Amino acid sequence: EADIYQTPRYLVIGTGKKITLECSQTMGHDKMYWYQQDPGMELHLIHYSYGVNSTEKGDLSSESTVSRIRTEHFPLTLESARPSHTSQYLCASSGGSRSYNEQFFGPGTRLTVL
Amino acid sequence: GENVEQHPSTLSVQEGDSAVIKCTYSDSASNYFPWYKQELGKGPQLIIDIRSNVGEKKDQRIAVTLNKTAKHFSLHITETQPEDSAVYFCAASIQTYKYIFGTGTRLKVLA
Repeated sequence: EADIYQTPRYLVIGTGKKITLECSQTMGHDKMYWYQQDPGMELHLIHYSYGVNSTEKGDLSSESTVSRIRTEHFPLTLESARPSHTSQYLCASSGGSRSYNEQFFGPGTRLTVL
Repeated sequence: GENVEQHPSTLSVQEGDSAVIKCTYSDSASNYFPWYKQELGKGPQLIIDIRSNVGEKKDQRIAVTLNKTAKHFSLHITETQPEDSAVYFCAASIQTYKYIFGTGTRLKVLA
């Protein structure tokens, strides 16, 4: 069982609100990722980090931003939520000595913007 | 750009039968190919992976095969059980620590 946590699990908010999705891991992994999963199931990388103070945009353009101030914490922020941001957001981490490439996923946050 | 094609998108099998899911990748530099299982309401979980220096890997009822020349890899599940019902994703590494995921296969095992 992977030790990666996401909160909240479900969030329903109105348009224009600022929100932060939390992701934390206790495995000491240096690499962390945010994916957006659409209703058609596809997983799209929107942000990743290879270590503290390192963040990069992923393959899918996103209006969200991320920060990596601590190894274990990789929050994602939407400054002004819109209905088009409605989706499932999955956080993952990798970098353990046992399986360096394997990405461990959190349970996800299902976001609905009204 | 790099992409991973996955087929079929849905698959129904009778309990006890085998299931095969196929993926094709485009980046010849890809060297790591994981398979994930995602159950309803959960994040994807790794079930098996294979590296480019290996042609086949087995773990109980699950096996993965890799054909580097053709850039194909496949997941084989034998003696399927109802608890195998889930969405399965293949992925290919595109840089050392990044993946591109396939589009997913919804597997239903009928009792």
